[in-house]
Amino acid sequence: AQSVTQLDSHVSVSEGTPVLLRCNYSSSYSPSLFWYVQHPNKGLQLLLKYTSAATLVKGINGFEAEFKKSETSFHLTKPSAHMSDAAEYFCVVSDGGYSTLTFGKGTMLLVSP
Amino acid sequence: SQTIHQWPATLVQPVGSPLSLECTVEGTSNPNLYWYRQAAGRGLQLLFYSVGIGQISSEVPQNLSASRPQDRQFILSSKKLLLSDSGFYLCAWGMVSGANVLTFGAGSRLTVL
Repeated sequence: AQSVTQLDSHVSVSEGTPVLLRCNYSSSYSPSLFWYVQHPNKGLQLLLKYTSAATLVKGINGFEAEFKKSETSFHLTKPSAHMSDAAEYFCVVSDGGYSTLTFGKGTMLLVSP
Repeated sequence: SQTIHQWPATLVQPVGSPLSLECTVEGTSNPNLYWYRQAAGRGLQLLFYSVGIGQISSEVPQNLSASRPQDRQFILSSKKLLLSDSGFYLCAWGMVSGANVLTFGAGSRLTVL
């Protein structure tokens, strides 16, 4: 069985400061891990993915995430927040197969000027 | 390039009325297709997925059904809507060899009154 826990339901930062969105996972196999972003009333957009290659994964819009097997974590970071980063972010784990994506409950990122 | 279309974008329906949400994919063949429902604070719940025409797998028992009449068309239906069917419905597609990366439609907001 697999599961994913996003440790914060809301994160507030000021524009220009670093962003950290935390995600812990549980998986019986070597998982694939993803981060998706969702702007209000929009679909989800893939930010980045980890599929057993390099543990530090770079994504779009300056985001990156590091896979840490010993800590079962896949935290999302960005050095400097922009107002356009305000959105909901979902961490996703997959053991493989058609229906084995498990989504976290999401973290709402709020960016203040 | 591949695109995914989902409609209608918003829908307000009375309890007991029927539902039909439609999703089509362009630019790819034999995609895996998915319907998810998103409720506030609860992440995404997989409702149905399909690996081919006429092949539908249901993940949760519910008041909804899905059909795939053509390779790139996926329809979500209900004969009689319940209040609990309200939510944001997302269609997505992925490839078997695509490491479970999903591309999402823009979503359909359903309000049942």
